[in-house]
Amino acid sequence: AQKITQTQPGMFVQEKEAVTLDCTYDTSDPSYGLFWYKQPSSGEMIFLIYQGSYDQQNATEGRYSLNFQKARKSANLVISASQLGDSAMYFCAMREGQDMRFGAGTRLTVKP
Amino acid sequence: DVKVTQSSRYLVKRTGEKVFLECVQDMDHENMFWYRQDPGLGLRLIYFSYDVKMKEKGDIPEGYSVSREKKERFSLILESASTNQTSMYLCASRTIGATGELFFGEGSRLTVL
Repeated sequence: AQKITQTQPGMFVQEKEAVTLDCTYDTSDPSYGLFWYKQPSSGEMIFLIYQGSYDQQNATEGRYSLNFQKARKSANLVISASQLGDSAMYFCAMREGQDMRFGAGTRLTVKP
Repeated sequence: DVKVTQSSRYLVKRTGEKVFLECVQDMDHENMFWYRQDPGLGLRLIYFSYDVKMKEKGDIPEGYSVSREKKERFSLILESASTNQTSMYLCASRTIGATGELFFGEGSRLTVL
């Protein structure tokens, strides 16, 4: 069964607007971590943000925030004030124990 | 500057050939991973290693094996390459701990003819 689900293959957003990228996960482990990575067309993988399962507050890193809803098992990425350089693939990932698994990704396109 | 280095950026092999993909990290990380990335499927975990000589199967280990004889090096082996193994292969490493993010290599694009 898929452990990480990203239901939006592609998203469009207007420059300067906010956008939410969805991620749901499945685990029975009480201790886990959730990560978001960005992959621009150059192919490099860039770590964006981390949320631990025991963290009470939603994680934030600059324009990125993670909307963590534990009971719903969702960890959506919110990008505020989108920029053209935000156009990329975005991957949600979950750490259980020592391993790390990824979703299928969402391709975000920022329109000028 | 932290670094994960994959030995080959591009490889072209023939069906049935044995293929070695090498990955070296200089961060003294305990955990190392091999993923393959295909459009629409994201990154799928092939194998990971949490210590020297230790390995665990991921979601798609069939047709692959791995070797970790030294802490800094994690090799992916395709014993008999097939066309459906044409893909981008990504190596990554991380330190033990809850918050440790993955550090990725640049990827190896393998084409099997």
